[in-house]
Amino acid sequence: QKEVEQNSGPLSVPEGAIASLNCTYSDRVSQSFFWYRQYSGKSPELIMSIYSNGDKEDGRFTAQLNKASQYVSLLIRDSQPSDSATYLCAVRGNQGGKLIFGQGTELSVKP
Amino acid sequence: DAGVIQSPRHEVTEMGQEVTLRCKPISGHNSLFWYRQTMMRGLELLIYFNNNVPIDDSGMPEDRFSAKMPNASFSTLKIQPSEPRDSAVYFCASSSRTDEKLFFGSGTQLSVL
Repeated sequence: QKEVEQNSGPLSVPEGAIASLNCTYSDRVSQSFFWYRQYSGKSPELIMSIYSNGDKEDGRFTAQLNKASQYVSLLIRDSQPSDSATYLCAVRGNQGGKLIFGQGTELSVKP
Repeated sequence: DAGVIQSPRHEVTEMGQEVTLRCKPISGHNSLFWYRQTMMRGLELLIYFNNNVPIDDSGMPEDRFSAKMPNASFSTLKIQPSEPRDSAVYFCASSSRTDEKLFFGSGTQLSVL
């Protein structure tokens, strides 16, 4: 079992719709959870971090964490073509420990 | 701040040659990570350092790979001898103790022919 798992996609949504990206992780002691966005040919950039169970909202983005289910998700409201990218889920165990990435989900937002 | 700086941006070499990738983390950051990204395997952690000390190198593929961090502002990843299967994008990233966010460099696109 991979430490961090994501559906590779591609996930295709129409412009203005909600995109839902999911991630599961295997290490129960994981403490920190991140979503990175990576445009083709570019490096990953952080868009959201979440540390506690529940929802965290930042603009059009909402991260959701359920530690009991070992599940993290990212919702993108009012999706725009500029949101088309690969979204990487990342999980860190103890503070200062290694950050493990999922394979990434490719999102395509169609005008 | 200039961000994480990696060099070279592109490297093309022949099988058997030594390759050295370089990284300058963000000033003040105490953790440095080396990742490798391929289509098949995604973003894999190779090694990371805290305060210049290697903490976990379990992701280093084999003895051909080595990494050093002689001081807080510089790290190298060396492959000797290189093989075609080492072709990938190699990213360096850094973070601070007080903020776990990871900042990535632009990456080095390595092609081993």
